[in-house]
Amino acid sequence: AQKITQTQPGMFVQEKEAVTLDCTYDTSDPSYGLFWYKQPSSGEMIFLIYQGSYDQQNATEGRYSLNFQKARKSANLVISASQLGDSAMYFCAMREGSGGSNYKLTFGKGTLLTVNP
Amino acid sequence: NAGVTQTPKFRVLKTGQSMTLLCAQDMNHEYMYWYRQDPGMGLRLIHYSVGEGTTAKGEVPDGYNVSRLKKQNFLLGLESAAPSQTSVYFCASSYYPGLEINYEQYFGPGTRLTVT
Repeated sequence: AQKITQTQPGMFVQEKEAVTLDCTYDTSDPSYGLFWYKQPSSGEMIFLIYQGSYDQQNATEGRYSLNFQKARKSANLVISASQLGDSAMYFCAMREGSGGSNYKLTFGKGTLLTVNP
Repeated sequence: NAGVTQTPKFRVLKTGQSMTLLCAQDMNHEYMYWYRQDPGMGLRLIHYSVGEGTTAKGEVPDGYNVSRLKKQNFLLGLESAAPSQTSVYFCASSYYPGLEINYEQYFGPGTRLTVT
């Protein structure tokens, strides 16, 4: 079974609208962390936001927020007020475990977001 | 502060040739990683290192070797390149991830490798 599932290969959104990118995960470890990275066409990987499994509140970073639903094992990324520069590939990733074993990231296959003017 | 740098940025190899990709970081990170990115596959971990002189296999280690002789450098080697190794290679680094601490991985710009 895939540990990280991103079911939307591609998404379109109008500029200034909000968009939600889906991510579901599979783990039996009670301690884990979820990440979202952005990869623009230039190729670099840009860290956006992080949610720990024990965090009580959903993470937010500027226009990015993470809709964390632990019981459903979902960690959707919400981008508010989309901008043309948000057009990119977005990856969800998970780190499992704690202490010395929780450094490996497992990535989903990504969602290509296109923001239309 | 350059962050994570990778050398070279592009390379074309013939089948059977060898090469080494160099990753360097100036953030004093203990952990370093090599990933490959293929279309539709996301990023997959090849090898990683938890400190100077130590390396370990990731998800797709076959055909690759690594070395970490210095804390700031992590080398990825292909001894006999195959077309299946055509990919974009990313290096990343991070601090030691303590319990419930977010230490994200910082990525280099990537190396695009084509094996013909």
